[in-house]
Amino acid sequence: DAGVTQSPTHLIKTRGQQVTLRCSPKSGHDTVSWYQQALGQGPQFIFQYYEEEERQRGNFPDRFSGHQFPNYSSELNVNALLLGDSALYLCASSLSGLSNTGELFFGEGSRLTVL
Amino acid sequence: AQSVSQHNHHVILSEAASLELGCNYSYGGTVNLFWYVQYPGQHLQLLLKYFSGDPLVKGIKGFEAEFIKSKFSFNLRKPSVQWSDTAEYFCAVNTWGSQGNLIFGKGTKLSVKP
Repeated sequence: DAGVTQSPTHLIKTRGQQVTLRCSPKSGHDTVSWYQQALGQGPQFIFQYYEEEERQRGNFPDRFSGHQFPNYSSELNVNALLLGDSALYLCASSLSGLSNTGELFFGEGSRLTVL
Repeated sequence: AQSVSQHNHHVILSEAASLELGCNYSYGGTVNLFWYVQYPGQHLQLLLKYFSGDPLVKGIKGFEAEFIKSKFSFNLRKPSVQWSDTAEYFCAVNTWGSQGNLIFGKGTKLSVKP
């Protein structure tokens, strides 16, 4: 049973550039959430996608955008990169529905370094 | 705004010592509570969770946590730690209607000396 997979695992960008991170959810899951984990901090919620739409959003600027595809995979895009965007970006998948209490399954993350 | 506080940044214990990691949250409504663990080089994984019912919940690898509503706390315990428990532990909370938005504490790094 495939877990959550993310790509790339590491990448380096310069200020002002744009980046796209990718995520495939755990088999059978239809909801994808993205988190940013800065060094020494806990993960912070960016947004969640379900049925190809953004359902919830955390306190992140519009430079952070996403997309979900019909096969439930997802992308996170960050434009006009700042040094402060350097972090581990985590993708988490879950099941939707009334029985969903929010248990998330996480990938290993994409580590972004902005120079 | 909702928040989660973990009292200890780094805890160092010897094998067989007892463990208690503190977690407090700020939210007055119904919450779901979680402890996640991140072993070195691995992804975050669920240790245990509380949704409702018995406030003492048991998780994997001998961990347990107690939800004390009056104290807004959800402390993690293990009676006897092993070297393999060395990891970073995160407490997290979400609320009904906002299940996707897990709010994490800053984490506690546990180092167990053999």
